[in-house]
Amino acid sequence: KNQVEQSPQSLIILEGKNCTLQCNYTVSPFSNLRWYKQDTGRGPVSLTIMTFSENTKSNGRYTATLDADTKQSSLHITASQLSDSASYICVVSSANFGNEKLTFGTGTRLTIIP
Amino acid sequence: NAGVMQNPRHLVRRRGQEARLRCSPMKGHSHVYWYRQLPEEGLKFMVYLQKENIIDESGMPKERFSAEFPKEGPSILRIQQVVRGDSAAYFCASSPAGGSNSPLHFGNGTRLTVT
Repeated sequence: KNQVEQSPQSLIILEGKNCTLQCNYTVSPFSNLRWYKQDTGRGPVSLTIMTFSENTKSNGRYTATLDADTKQSSLHITASQLSDSASYICVVSSANFGNEKLTFGTGTRLTIIP
Repeated sequence: NAGVMQNPRHLVRRRGQEARLRCSPMKGHSHVYWYRQLPEEGLKFMVYLQKENIIDESGMPKERFSAEFPKEGPSILRIQQVVRGDSAAYFCASSPAGGSNSPLHFGNGTRLTVT
């Protein structure tokens, strides 16, 4: 069964600090891994998409890594800001004969405090 | 350049009534996906549609739920005879193509409450 597990479930850090969120997956066959940011009451917004051959990708202060061998990914946030408070969702795509399926993690709820 | 538009944002229905959720994809996008999110849970795939075609409805309950994406107008997710367990946030996403590396653009969801 395809699964995506994220840790920690929630995290509180001070403004300006860095943090790293983890994602482990058992999805096969693997197509790509995505990180989304979901503000409360809003839809998810894409941060990064990484394919099998990519092991790091950055989007401003967000840097995602992917280790396809160990099936792990991380999202590193640098110099956190109050606006980074949100849920961060790891999503793994599998594609079989052109039929793509996305498996969503339950997210890490990040709270930045001043 | 409007994003994915969903309406209504909030919908309250009594048990047994019908709920209709609408989704207008981003301009130029012909692929629409519907997801359901329960509190403290991840988004769960329901159905994938292209214009006038249901491509994959494997995540949608066989009874009471239906979806369409007509040639003209928004995609509609319809829930008949709603029950309390249908209370959830329903998100629509669109993409320009069905390829596995196409980014999905999400709407802000419709929060359905069944009383």
